[in-house]
Amino acid sequence: AQSVAQPEDQVNVAEGNPLTVKCTYSVSGNPYLFWYVQYPNRGLQFLLKYITGDNLVKGSYGFEAEFNKSQTSFHLKKPSALVSDSALYFCAVRQGGNAGKSTFGDGTTLTVKP
Amino acid sequence: GAVVSQHPSWVICKSGTSVKIECRSLDFQATTMFWYRQFPKQSLMLMATSNEGSKATYEQGVEKDKFLINHASLTLSTLTVTSAHPEDSSFYICSATGLDYSYNEQFFGPGTRLTVL
Repeated sequence: AQSVAQPEDQVNVAEGNPLTVKCTYSVSGNPYLFWYVQYPNRGLQFLLKYITGDNLVKGSYGFEAEFNKSQTSFHLKKPSALVSDSALYFCAVRQGGNAGKSTFGDGTTLTVKP
Repeated sequence: GAVVSQHPSWVICKSGTSVKIECRSLDFQATTMFWYRQFPKQSLMLMATSNEGSKATYEQGVEKDKFLINHASLTLSTLTVTSAHPEDSSFYICSATGLDYSYNEQFFGPGTRLTVL
């Protein structure tokens, strides 16, 4: 079985400050890890993924995430937050293989205040 | 990039009626589509996985007779909520993946808001 935990329901940061949204996972075998962002009444937008290779993954809109195998974590980060980054963020894990199902975390609401 | 559309974007229906939601891959062949349900401020719950030309695989606890899924072509999957009730009101999101994409990257539709009166 695979699972994802996002320990924080809410993250608040001031504009211009760095932000971190936490994610830990559990999966047998090598994980495929993803971050998505969702704006109100919209579908999910892909931010970045880790499949293999460098542990630091860079994605859209200046976001990056670091894969840490020993801590089974894949935290999302951004050096300088923008008000427009305020949204709901989901971490997801998938086992490899064709049509592997993704398991999503419960989501973290990020609020960036001016 | 790959684009997935959903239609309608929102729908209001009376209790007891059936509602069909379409999910289309616009610029790629979607060999697999996923249907999710999302309650307000909650995560996505996978309802079923459908592969083109075969029966959908439903997750535990999802009534296959109530949520009919058809994936008749490589660009279209439909979810029909039969005999809808107010508790079926939710945000329904589909995603699609295809052989052209590495590691089965999923592309999500914009979602459909269903309200059952």
